Parts: sequence; C-alpha cells; structure tokens
Amino acid sequence: SQKIEQNSEALNIQEGKTATLTCNYTNYSPAYLQWYRQDPGRGPVFLLLIRENEKEKRKERLKVTFDTTLKQSLFHITASQPADSATYLCALDMPPRADRGSTLGRLYFGRGTQLTVWP
Amino acid sequence: NAGVTQTPKFQVLKTGQSMTLQCAQDMNHEYMSWYRQDPGMGLRLIHYSVGAGITDQGEVPNGYNVSRSTTEDFPLRLLSAAPSQTSVYFCASSYQGGIEQYFGPGTRLTVT
Repeated sequence: SQKIEQNSEALNIQEGKTATLTCNYTNYSPAYLQWYRQDPGRGPVFLLLIRENEKEKRKERLKVTFDTTLKQSLFHITASQPADSATYLCALDMPPRADRGSTLGRLYFGRGTQLTVWP
Repeated sequence: NAGVTQTPKFQVLKTGQSMTLQCAQDMNHEYMSWYRQDPGMGLRLIHYSVGAGITDQGEVPNGYNVSRSTTEDFPLRLLSAAPSQTSVYFCASSYQGGIEQYFGPGTRLTVT
C-alpha cells in the first residue's frame, strides 16, 4: 500500500534561516504532489502543487522540489519568520482505481511536520 | 464567498447514536471530500464525490454514508457511532481533480 513519510514530527529553527521539510513516498509514482499548512484548530490551507514533470516550483519565500527517481519532495521556506510556525502536510494523489481509470483528486496525506521558528 | 463551511464545530455522541455532519461550499466546486484526522495518523479520506449524484469510497469508509444531491452540499452520516470514530472531520472541495483543495474549519467529534 501507499506510504508517505515526512522527515520528522518537529523541526525547530531560528528566525531568518531556511527551513527544509522532507516528504518521501513508496510503492507508487504520483502524478502530482501538494503541500499544505495547518494551524492548530484549523483546516489545512493549500500552499503549492508540483507535477511529476516539474522539478521545482516557487511561490514567494516557498520552494518545492520533486524528485521522482528518489521518490522525494523537499519543501523550503527561506528567511523564515515566527509566523511560519505551523504544521506542514505533504499530500499526493492516490493510485487510480482499476475500475475508474483516474485518481479523481483523491489525496493521501502524510502525518505532517510541526515547524517552530523562534526569534 | 464563505468558502467551505461545516457544522457543528463540536459534537459529543453516545455509542450507537447516529448523526449527520454538514458540509457546504459556495464556490461551485464539483469535487468534494470528507477526511478524518487522528493524532499520529494524518488525514485519511473517508468518501468523496466528483459531482452531484456521484459518490465513492475512500480509504476508511466503514461506518459512514454520504450522498450528493446538490453541487453545494455533501453531508456525512454516521450510522451508529463508535468510540473509534472519535476524530476531527474535515470537508474539502476543489474545482476539479488534481488541483488544490479548500478545507473547511472541521468538526471535532467525541463518541463516548
């Protein structure tokens, strides 16, 4: 079955440094991979999506890479700020069902990495 | 736009009771999904829908029913609540498959 691992449950870094979060997956080659942010008591919020034919995607201080050979995505936050403190979730599309022929937007989520940025 | 709304925010049930978790979106999204989030488990897909009248099972569908009579609404029914269904439930929607999903604020359910 599909397995997603995010590098650690918690990551603590100093303000201004670059945070790097890792998402590894096995047993499947997803067509795309997404990253979400979740604050305590709230629903996840979409950040970035990267497709299998893309190596890198950027959005402001965020950068995502996707290595389909290593089956790994890296999520970087540059010039981190205390406001970046949250849990970050990796998600990838589920394998197509044999009787459906497409993924239809169904997502597997990792357990998340809790990032704390201290002043 | 209100986005994705969920009611109630909190609910306590006794084992064996039934209830419906409500989810609505005003973005005219075709795709809607229900997830549950448990400590250490991440989000798991319960049921999803690709349009009005079309629903299908996700990873953990047992004990839950869904229907989609309109584009806007996607209620989740617990038929006979069990303590194992204690969780936080999130509803999500997207314009189509393969793009970002918009999540509601969640319903925290406790079954005693």
